Amino acid sequence: TQLLEQSPQFLSIQEGENLTVYCNSSSVFSSLQWYRQEPGEGPVLLVTVVTGGEVKKLKRLTFQFGDARKDSSLHITAAQPGDTGLYLCAGLLGNEKLTFGTGTRLTIIP
Amino acid sequence: DSGVTQTPKHLITATGQRVTLRCSPRSGDLSVYWYQQSLDQGLQFLIQYYNGEERAKGNILERFSAQQFPDLHSELNLSSLELGDSALYFCASSVGQLPNQPQHFGDGTRLSIL
Repeated sequence: TQLLEQSPQFLSIQEGENLTVYCNSSSVFSSLQWYRQEPGEGPVLLVTVVTGGEVKKLKRLTFQFGDARKDSSLHITAAQPGDTGLYLCAGLLGNEKLTFGTGTRLTIIP
Repeated sequence: DSGVTQTPKHLITATGQRVTLRCSPRSGDLSVYWYQQSLDQGLQFLIQYYNGEERAKGNILERFSAQQFPDLHSELNLSSLELGDSALYFCASSVGQLPNQPQHFGDGTRLSIL
């Protein structure tokens, strides 16, 4: 059983469209991170959210941490081909280890 | 470029064999993390070392072991290899010992067991 479920598993949309991907759990996390991974490379950290309800923006990407710190969402506005990749959320339980989600594989069609 | 170097990039071997994966962390980083990424299990934390000492353990099999050397590079040893060990193995490094600090990932070693 995966501690962190991400949805959708796959998403393919046209350039210029908006999208939201989700990261859900029944556990409370002390912090949550979002990574993007491209083929042949390791994950790259995009953002860390710590406070329940926190919203962070990174250019066209908006990240939100749920009020109860059990879930998170990533919204991309006006998607571009460069946004293509595997998006991973990772939650921290206590101070011991990061638990990664199942991932959303995003493809932006030019 | 994350600054984390993993070697080799690809490794092909047979069941029952033993391999060693190597990781050089970013300059100044004291923590090294090892992860396994497979299609069915996703990215799984294996083990963390901080300044030469084991700090946290995840889903690491008894057939696997790791160490961090005085120069802070780390090695992951996988023995009695099975077909199911085929996966991408990533190393990440960070400055401090807490895993909520930014982790910088290498490009991984792709291990194929025939």
